[in-house]
Amino acid sequence: SQQGEEDPQALSIQEGENATMNCSYKTSINNLQWYRQNSGRGLVHLILIRSNEREKHSGRLRVTLDTSKKSSSLLITASRAADTASYFCATDGGGTSYGKLTFGQGTILTVHP
Amino acid sequence: KAGVTQTPRYLIKTRGQQVTLSCSPISGHRSVSWYQQTPGQGLQFLFEYFSETQRNKGNFPGRFSGRQFSNSRSEMNVSTLELGDSALYLCASSLVGVLTYNEQFFGPGTRLTVL
Repeated sequence: SQQGEEDPQALSIQEGENATMNCSYKTSINNLQWYRQNSGRGLVHLILIRSNEREKHSGRLRVTLDTSKKSSSLLITASRAADTASYFCATDGGGTSYGKLTFGQGTILTVHP
Repeated sequence: KAGVTQTPRYLIKTRGQQVTLSCSPISGHRSVSWYQQTPGQGLQFLFEYFSETQRNKGNFPGRFSGRQFSNSRSEMNVSTLELGDSALYLCASSLVGVLTYNEQFFGPGTRLTVL
């Protein structure tokens, strides 16, 4: 079963605009990770935020985590057509959940040139 | 470093057959996880192997099995294929140790079609 729910399911923007995707989850986590997937290919790891962190940056990406609300957001600034992809959040429950990430349903991002 | 590789990339099988998929992790990564991705169920965890031992298993029937070799390469096997097994099968490797946080790196996947 999917722990995360992502919002919106689809997002369409123009190049240069910012894109914000949200993810909610249900159980406690050790960390939360964001991935990108192009056209049914493998997932590309974007960023990991630990449960004791609130915000993290990587290039044009900004991720926030609010453990009290069990939610995270991914902001892509100054988007490019090459950012068109599906974006997934994935939670790691830690403990004995060895090697298991629980994925959300994903947000399909389309960036128009 | 070379990334995670999966073979074959595409497979077409018929119902009732069995299939074996292979995954080579990033050099030095000893944990390999497998996932199934379908349009209806999304990405679902199958199992994880570390040092040739299955440490975790998802909610899949016994027809789905796997193993890991001493060089950390992993295989998964699906027996008695059903139409619903058509999916993209992804493997991911991670570096297990202190402060590694289960950061997983994925291969390109194997697209399995069951006819």
